[in-house]
Amino acid sequence: QVQLQESGPGLVKPSGTLSLTCTASGGSISSTNWWSWVRQPPGKGLEWIGEIYQSGSTNYNPSLKSRVTISIDKSKNQFSLKLSSVTAADTAVYYCASQYNFAYTWDYWGQGTLVTVSS
Amino acid sequence: QSALTQPASVSGSPGQSITISCTGTSSDVGGYNHVSWYQQHPGKGPKLMIYDVSNRPSGVSNRFSGSKSGNTASLTISELQAEDEADYYCISYTTITTYVFGTGTKVTVL
Repeated sequence: QVQLQESGPGLVKPSGTLSLTCTASGGSISSTNWWSWVRQPPGKGLEWIGEIYQSGSTNYNPSLKSRVTISIDKSKNQFSLKLSSVTAADTAVYYCASQYNFAYTWDYWGQGTLVTVSS
Repeated sequence: QSALTQPASVSGSPGQSITISCTGTSSDVGGYNHVSWYQQHPGKGPKLMIYDVSNRPSGVSNRFSGSKSGNTASLTISELQAEDEADYYCISYTTITTYVFGTGTKVTVL
């Protein structure tokens, strides 16, 4: 069973870059389909941010595409999220998730990490 | 891409059945059988309940079932229990190789 753990700063300044890493344990990041980032502003719904395949291919939410970069480090069994030019609207719980047993859906999720954008 | 449309809230008494709708377009829900449903309890992460419209992952109660007609997918919870009280989100694959979530539905067990 795969376990995912998000890590990174919980506070980012406006106009700065949000950086998070997701570490997978109990399974290889090279052995499954796609790895995604999803976020949820406080009290609001879920929003898909983007995904990366083990080969490094990526797909992004069109509304965030200009500010998002997702990368993968197979040697560390990790994948990462960078979101630039952040504003208060980017304050959210950020989840990493994997399509481990199924395609087109995510069966394993991290516990989520709250990132607050504030000066 | 716009969020899929779900009712803000649905309620039912224990033992009853409820259905949550998820309406999209021919570019997402109507175009693919890749609709999933997630359950989220307060302060917790999402849990996969249904994938590919109507399939249940191992360990999910058979009280949860999914279906689709045209551009609308549905999640039915039968024999409603107190533990089913949570937020539910649908999500669909789209024609531009992305995913779009529903607006979310709060299920209340009366």
